[in-house]
Amino acid sequence: EDQVTQSPEALRLQEGESSSLNCSYTVSGLRGLFWYRQDPGKGPEFLFTLYSAGEEKEKERLKATLTKKESFLHITAPKPEDSATYLCAVQAVELKLSFGAGTTVTVRA
Amino acid sequence: NAGVTQTPKFQVLKTGQSMTLQCAQDMNHNSMYWYRQDPGMGLRLIYYSASEGTTDKGEVPNGYNVSRLNKREFSLRLESAAPSQTSVYFCAISRSENEQFFGPGTRLTVL
Repeated sequence: EDQVTQSPEALRLQEGESSSLNCSYTVSGLRGLFWYRQDPGKGPEFLFTLYSAGEEKEKERLKATLTKKESFLHITAPKPEDSATYLCAVQAVELKLSFGAGTTVTVRA
Repeated sequence: NAGVTQTPKFQVLKTGQSMTLQCAQDMNHNSMYWYRQDPGMGLRLIYYSASEGTTDKGEVPNGYNVSRLNKREFSLRLESAAPSQTSVYFCAISRSENEQFFGPGTRLTVL
């Protein structure tokens, strides 16, 4: 059974204080790893897809990396508008995503 | 959440009542999904439809039924609601194995 564990559960940062979120996974044959951002009361918003170990993707202050057992979402010099819950999901079977419980990030000005 | 609409946004039911959650898309994607999201747990797949005319069970299908009415619409029905079905329900769409795009959600409370 696919397992996705995200850590930490919650992260409080000062504006400008860079940090990383972890997503560790156990799957039999990774087809893709996905990162989403979710704001309170809204649906998840797609950020990145990573397909193979060593791959990196960047978008503004966010950078996602992938190894064979985990993915990191690095937030560089965060701003208050980066406050959200970040979700990680893996795809091992066609069309099916298995989600982690998420990391809630709060960035204080 | 552009391209995926869900109705209603909020709903309160009594135990045993039935209701249908509606999802519609205007992005012409083949695949559609229903998830539920509960505090402290990840999104869990209830049912999905790879293409018009097909539906398959996900991780937590018990107590739910679905209909893929046409390429645009995918509905989720609760025949006899239970308090354990109190949750936030999300519809999502995708082009085959690509990233999934989510709707704004329906917040359901079963008393």
